[in-house]
Amino acid sequence: QSALTQPASMSGSPGQSITISCTGTSSDVGGYNYVSWYQQHPGKAPKLIIYEVSNRPSGVPDRFSGSKSGNTASLTISGLHAEDEADYYCSSYTPNTALDRVFGGGTKLTVL
Amino acid sequence: EVQLVESGGGLVQPGGSLRLSCVVSGFRLSDNWMSWVRQAPDKRLEWVANIKQDGSEKYYADSVRGRFTISRDNGKNSLYLQMNSLRAEDTAVYYCARDAFVGCSDYWGQGTLISVSS
Repeated sequence: QSALTQPASMSGSPGQSITISCTGTSSDVGGYNYVSWYQQHPGKAPKLIIYEVSNRPSGVPDRFSGSKSGNTASLTISGLHAEDEADYYCSSYTPNTALDRVFGGGTKLTVL
Repeated sequence: EVQLVESGGGLVQPGGSLRLSCVVSGFRLSDNWMSWVRQAPDKRLEWVANIKQDGSEKYYADSVRGRFTISRDNGKNSLYLQMNSLRAEDTAVYYCARDAFVGCSDYWGQGTLISVSS
């Protein structure tokens, strides 16, 4: 069982917007602004697309955005592209020497 | 260009040992904390361990503490993970990753597969 809860799957058509949720607790998502999101295509390594809740690394399109409210973080993809079809994972820092960060179980995004 | 290349994976029997290596290029290894993260066959991601820039601090997930040891050699641009007393549940793809922000890795290697089975 993953520490953070994500929907297992979501789908959308090209051009549509979708929002993936990531629910944790006050000990992780709700307690710190250190939520990150990763995109993973089949057979590839995870790629960082959002860090510190809403910051995008250089080169990540601005149609990817992040936010947080209470214990739930969200990733919004505005204007879906076919290449956005991938698995998306959220992660949160947690101040525990036995666990630097926790991950969500991942969301499989299908672009119809 | 930042690159991380893992090696050392393979099939090992329960109770066995393996040593993973990760060679980095495109950045100065001594500038960053580094982590190992694994991905199980069900695609679940799990942080395994991390190490401070000079190797003076190391942290481990409960699931591997006492069995795995993370280390680094900045002069050789290399990160290591010594894995002992391997169990079936350690079967996963192991990624080395550069920690750039708190609880977050900005660059990952391509991964190396560890299969623990008799």
